[in-house]
Amino acid sequence: DIQMTQSPSSLSASIGDRVTISCRASQSINNYLNWYQQKPGGAPKVLIYGASNLQSGVPSRFSGSGSGTDYTLTISSLQPEDFATYYCHQSYSTFDTFGQGTKLEIK
Amino acid sequence: EVQLVESGGGLVKPGGSLRLSCAASGFSFNTYNMNWVRQAPGKGLEWVSFISSGSTYIHYADSVKGRFTISRDNAKNAVYLQMSSLRVEDTAVYYCARDEGGWRDFDHWGQGTLVTVSS
Repeated sequence: DIQMTQSPSSLSASIGDRVTISCRASQSINNYLNWYQQKPGGAPKVLIYGASNLQSGVPSRFSGSGSGTDYTLTISSLQPEDFATYYCHQSYSTFDTFGQGTKLEIK
Repeated sequence: EVQLVESGGGLVKPGGSLRLSCAASGFSFNTYNMNWVRQAPGKGLEWVSFISSGSTYIHYADSVKGRFTISRDNAKNAVYLQMSSLRVEDTAVYYCARDEGGWRDFDHWGQGTLVTVSS
């Protein structure tokens, strides 16, 4: 199975900060990398699919990049509603796997 | 509007069984692959199972293989997860999620149903 290592596991930041979350796969996943946001008590919501494609309706301050085994989610200017937990997800192999999550908290 | 509504969760003893359902509406259900994803209390997301649109392809995580069975009824716009030989570690919120297909992101999720395995 493909292992996904996400970092950091938690992050404190302020409104307006630029934030980067990383995800590394144990083998190449050819951009089959998706990012989700989850707020307490809610279901996950897709933000980025195929490594760099912004899901319809998602603010443009969210962006994704990467290739091969290394991928990044960037939030260009944090807004109050962005404080949540973020997960990466590889959909390249038969058996999907998620990163362990990054909890983004207000500093 | 796409809607996925899970049901069937509850409290069950170790070794017991439970069947989860996910009712879909607002899209052509028979053209989409579907997944189950679970989340243990306070933990991250874990993919559980996949079923293709016509039920030809089915996959399971190693943690549930041989104990869980995924199925779907395209006439009823529903996907199911039959869970047996349940263990304490199966305690989680179970989500059904629509598989978008191209990059296989999960573009719509249900609200989840809680399964608690405890004596």
